[in-house]
Amino acid sequence: AQTVTQSQPEMSVQEAETVTLSCTYDTSESNYYLFWYKQPPSRQMILVIRQEAYKQQNATENRFSVNFQKAAKSFSLKISDSQLGDTAMYFCAFIAYSGAGSYQLTFGKGTKLSVIP
Amino acid sequence: DGGITQSPKYLFRKEGQNVTLSCEQNLNHDAMYWYRQDPGQGLRLIYYSQIVNDFQKGDIAEGYSVSREKKESFPLTVTSAQKNPTAFYLCASSIFGYTGELFFGEGSRLTVL
Repeated sequence: AQTVTQSQPEMSVQEAETVTLSCTYDTSESNYYLFWYKQPPSRQMILVIRQEAYKQQNATENRFSVNFQKAAKSFSLKISDSQLGDTAMYFCAFIAYSGAGSYQLTFGKGTKLSVIP
Repeated sequence: DGGITQSPKYLFRKEGQNVTLSCEQNLNHDAMYWYRQDPGQGLRLIYYSQIVNDFQKGDIAEGYSVSREKKESFPLTVTSAQKNPTAFYLCASSIFGYTGELFFGEGSRLTVL
């Protein structure tokens, strides 16, 4: 079974500073996708960034970037120039095809990030 | 605007009653999902469906049932067999179930009295 571990239940960062959220996963699959989702207090989940496992280059989306270490099964999210609107729960997620038309979707338990003015 | 609509947003149920949560999408997505969210537990997959008239159990399917008679709709029934149904329920959809981004509804909060 696939597992996703977010070891930091809560974190805080000063506005305009940089913060890194960690995520590790465990799988025997070689082809998979990794995601970071954001859930603000409104509870509407939105995609922050996505990484294909076969790509060595780390994904970036404006102030958000990842550090993908496939051998270590690590997928951390870096938020630069933190803004008050970044305050939210962040979930790491993993999707792998497990054959016979089925696939595994697994989310971590989340990291609550607070941006302090 | 395209999106996913969940209803109702808040629902109260007495013990022993079945309740159905609605999920409708107009994104023309093939795959749809139901997740349960509890404090400190993250999101856990209940059921998912990749095509009409087909669905598969997720990690915590016991006490739940679904149907997929139309591409746009994926209702979830919480049955009386679900021992701890009070939770926040999220519906999602995607273009390709394996690689695609998940689009989420705003969620439904179920409370058992």
